[in-house]
Amino acid sequence: EAQVTQNPRYLITVTGKKLTVTCSQNMNHEYMSWYRQDPGLGLRQIYYSMNVEVTDKGDVPEGYKVSRKEKRNFPLILESPSPNQTSLYFCASSLSTKDWQYFGPGTRLTVT
Amino acid sequence: QKEVEQNSGPLSVPEGAIASLNCTYSDRGSQSFFWYRQYSGKSPELIMFIYSNGDKEDGRFTAQLNKASQYVSLLIRDSQPSDSATYLCAVNPHKLIFGTGTLLAVQP
Repeated sequence: EAQVTQNPRYLITVTGKKLTVTCSQNMNHEYMSWYRQDPGLGLRQIYYSMNVEVTDKGDVPEGYKVSRKEKRNFPLILESPSPNQTSLYFCASSLSTKDWQYFGPGTRLTVT
Repeated sequence: QKEVEQNSGPLSVPEGAIASLNCTYSDRGSQSFFWYRQYSGKSPELIMFIYSNGDKEDGRFTAQLNKASQYVSLLIRDSQPSDSATYLCAVNPHKLIFGTGTLLAVQP
């Protein structure tokens, strides 16, 4: 089954404790992206990747890091989480930047 | 001006009626247009895409695109309570840009 998976699905953590949210797709997609979704603000892109070892900032990259060492994986790293990073996070992938994106199930992160 | 604008709603329609959802965009270079449905707490799922001016129909859904007016819409015929969700318009001038969504409530 074609899918994008994310782990964990739910995470409660404390300020400053480094965390990683994993994302994996099995569709051989080149383009992958991370979004955060907050009430009233919609989906905002954090980082994206056009291919292996090619990543770039989206609209709200501050406080986040990503890597793309393999085509299928695109982890999101929060080195020192803060409460304003409490949000619903989605990973997405597509064949290219022009195509529609498949979304993962989401990770609900709470930083206290 | 926001790049992709949608009325946040809620748009309330009775069961069996036509729901009309609208979206305007600012970048005239936009080439592809998408409608996603998102249930509360779930991930967005693609329901329609359209690339050319005019109408595109898929079952109960019709997407309409007017590039001259920078306007894209989604019609849902015979609306069902299960259609109650937030509908996200997404436009792709060079990357996918999402509107904030319209909440649709279908009343039984």
